[in-house]
Amino acid sequence: GQNIDQPTEMTATEGAIVQINCTYQTSGFNGLFWYQQHAGEAPTFLSYNVLDGLEEKGRFSSFLSRSKGYSYLLLKELQMKDSASYLCAVMDSNYQLIWGAGTKLIIKP
Amino acid sequence: ETGVTQTPRHLVMGMTNKKSLKCEQHLGHNAMYWYKQSAKKPLELMFVYSLEERVENNSVPSRFSPECPNSSHLFLHLHTLQPEDSALYLCASSLTSGGADTQYFGPGTRLTVL
Repeated sequence: GQNIDQPTEMTATEGAIVQINCTYQTSGFNGLFWYQQHAGEAPTFLSYNVLDGLEEKGRFSSFLSRSKGYSYLLLKELQMKDSASYLCAVMDSNYQLIWGAGTKLIIKP
Repeated sequence: ETGVTQTPRHLVMGMTNKKSLKCEQHLGHNAMYWYKQSAKKPLELMFVYSLEERVENNSVPSRFSPECPNSSHLFLHLHTLQPEDSALYLCASSLTSGGADTQYFGPGTRLTVL
């Protein structure tokens, strides 16, 4: 079967760095997406990785290793507004997104 | 961001009611999706439409009935729902359904079935 695993909840301190991991097993691979979802709001697109390596976009970076079935989202200089759920999703061979359950990130002052 | 809008934002209905959820996208996309999001569970894909044709129906009960009159509008008609259908229903759109295109989401409808 297809499976995406990510931690349920993480806590970090304002100004610090946090890494949210995602491992996957899917039927085929056409890229990995990260979304941010604030409570009661729409998931918003953060990043897309299809090749191995690190993609940096401001305070957020996303890493992919296809051979290990592994990705992480790195958030630097954490701000209170970064408190949200972070969703990992893999696009399978049929171009359907397979979703993880999300990681709730709590930022403390 | 008002690329994808959904109405209503909140809905409470009894098990014998009939209601409809509406989604509209202003992004010029050709594919639209309905997802169900339950607490602490992964998003569940319900339906996919491409150019107004249904291309995916992931074993969704018949009490959920989608309608796509054009590429900008998507409806989800609800009837005789069960309490376990209470969830956040998200609509999304993407340029196409057959490529690695980013999906853009609406804010969702929070549905409570009594």
